[in-house]
This record gives sequence, C-alpha cells and structure tokens, in this order.
Amino acid sequence: DAGVTQSPTHLIKTRGQQVTLRCSPKSGHDTVSWYQQALGQGPQFIFQYYEEEERQRGNFPDRFSGHQFPNYSSELNVNALLLGDSALYLCASSPDYRGSYEQYFGPGTRLTVT
Amino acid sequence: AQRVTQPEKLLSVFKGAPVELKCNYSYSGSPELFWYVQYSRQRLQLLLRHISRESIKGFTADLNKGETSFHLKKPFAQEEDSAMYYCALTDNQGGKLIFGQGTELSVKP
Repeated sequence: DAGVTQSPTHLIKTRGQQVTLRCSPKSGHDTVSWYQQALGQGPQFIFQYYEEEERQRGNFPDRFSGHQFPNYSSELNVNALLLGDSALYLCASSPDYRGSYEQYFGPGTRLTVT
Repeated sequence: AQRVTQPEKLLSVFKGAPVELKCNYSYSGSPELFWYVQYSRQRLQLLLRHISRESIKGFTADLNKGETSFHLKKPFAQEEDSAMYYCALTDNQGGKLIFGQGTELSVKP
C-alpha cells in the first residue's frame, strides 16, 4: 500500500487561474481531509469529505471547493487564484470521520501562484 | 475559539539532554490531543495521542486540563529526534485537526 498519494507534486499558476489537486486515500479509508500549510505555519483545515459529501469546512472562502468520488479519491479546486494561495496542500485520509482515528497524510502538493 | 499554541519555533538541545516541547490549547469542550512529527523529507505522521497514554520512541505527553497543556517530553534526546513537531487537537465534531505552528527540534551531537 503506497499510503496517501497526491498529484501533482508541484504546480505553478498565475493569479486568476484555477487549479485542481488530486488525492487518493490509503487503502481501506473512506474519509479525506484537505489542509493548507503556508510557509512556517502549521496545517490549516480546509474541509473534509465522507460518503461523497462535505462534512466539515474550515474558514476558507467559496473559491475553495472539493469533490469526493465513489472510490473515495478526492479533488481540491481553487478558483481565481491569489498570491496568498501559494502553499503546500496536504491531503489526509482516515478510516472514519471521527477524530479518534489517526489521519494519514500525503506528501503534499506545492502550489506557487505568481 | 479553539486554538493550539506552541510558543517555541525552534528548540535546540544536545544529545542526551532532556527535551520538553510545549503545547497549550484553548477549547470549550473535551479535546482529543495529538502530537504529529515530520522528519526531513518525510510526510507528516502521528507520533502519539493522549487517549493512548503510551510512550512512542521514548516520548510521552500528559494532558493537563487545568493548565490546558499537552507538553511533549523525552528524558534523553537522540540525534534522530531532530524534526518538526506539531501539536494538534480535534474539535467536538471530530475529524478536523487544529494544528499549532510547530516547533523545530534540533538535537546536536
């Protein structure tokens, strides 16, 4: 099991563009969460998906949206990119949406907005 | 508001010295507390959680509800402990992790 995988590894976009990041959860996991990690900061929760629905959402604008597919993989979409969206985007999966289960993190996608 | 504070950005100790990474939190209910670690060029991974009350790689952490703290301790630091350490908690809806800003631990030979 490769664990949580994310693609692409790196991405460079221009202000105003749109971007889609992808995540495949660890085998046997059905819950996917997305986090944004700015340089020198801890990860910040964006949203969580379970059974193809957004269960929880952090303090991020509607420009950030997501999707979960029947195979539990997930996408994070960001519209109208701003310079401040430059960050490492982490995906985490767990076997259940409850907090007592360990979340397994992927290697992240480094997004640079110019 | 729920918040996790790690007051030290960098902690530097010599091998064999005791280590304490501080974590304070503000939370209105009964939190679940975690320590996550990220070694160089590796992904973020769980080190320990308070409900397990176990020692991992010689590290322990005790939840002090009176002081709202969850400090991470190890009696004798090793060079391989050098990494970024993040304290985190879940809110009452479960799943959402709230992270501190992280402390970089550097263990010198």
